[in-house]
Amino acid sequence: EAQVTQNPRYLITVTGKKLTVTCSQNMNHEYMSWYRQDPGLGLRQIYYSMNVEVTDKGDVPEGYKVSRKEKRNFPLILESPSPNQTSLYFCASGRTGFVSGANVLTFGAGSRLTVL
Amino acid sequence: TQLLEQSPQFLSIQEGENLTVYCNSSSVFSSLQWYRQEPGEGPVLLVTVVTGGEVKKLKRLTFQFGDARKDSSLHITAAQPGDTGLYLCAEPDNAGGTSYGKLTFGQGTILTVHP
Repeated sequence: EAQVTQNPRYLITVTGKKLTVTCSQNMNHEYMSWYRQDPGLGLRQIYYSMNVEVTDKGDVPEGYKVSRKEKRNFPLILESPSPNQTSLYFCASGRTGFVSGANVLTFGAGSRLTVL
Repeated sequence: TQLLEQSPQFLSIQEGENLTVYCNSSSVFSSLQWYRQEPGEGPVLLVTVVTGGEVKKLKRLTFQFGDARKDSSLHITAAQPGDTGLYLCAEPDNAGGTSYGKLTFGQGTILTVHP
């Protein structure tokens, strides 16, 4: 089954304790991206990657790191989490062709992170 | 970063009613996507509109892209409880004309359809 898999789905942690949220896709997509979702703000893009070893900042990259060492994986790293990073996080993947009806962005089920 | 304004923010209606959700911008959209998100899940793409004046239909959902490509609407006919969810519009960056790159979302419309 074609899917984007995120882990963990739920995590409660404390300020300053490094954590990684993993994202893996099995569709051989070049493009991958991370978003955070907060009430009333929709989804805001954190980082995206157009292909292996190519990453760029989205609108809210502060406090996050990413890497794209292989095509299928795009982990999100919080080196020193803070309470304002409490949020619902989504990973997505897609092809890098023209954005038309044929080019569908597929989202994972989300990872709910709470930083105390 | 382009700002996408969605309205209304909340919509609560009875089954069988019609509704329209809007997505507007002060700048021209390169293209526009509509997503639906249900609780506990990620957004699912409903449609992509590219050409000004374009109209697309998906069963009871009708999507319109403004002639000037600065606005879009989603109209649902005879809403059903299964339509309940968060509806999001989003604009792919398409800076190079060919790809997602940055993807900017509106803040969403929370739709509740009561039986």
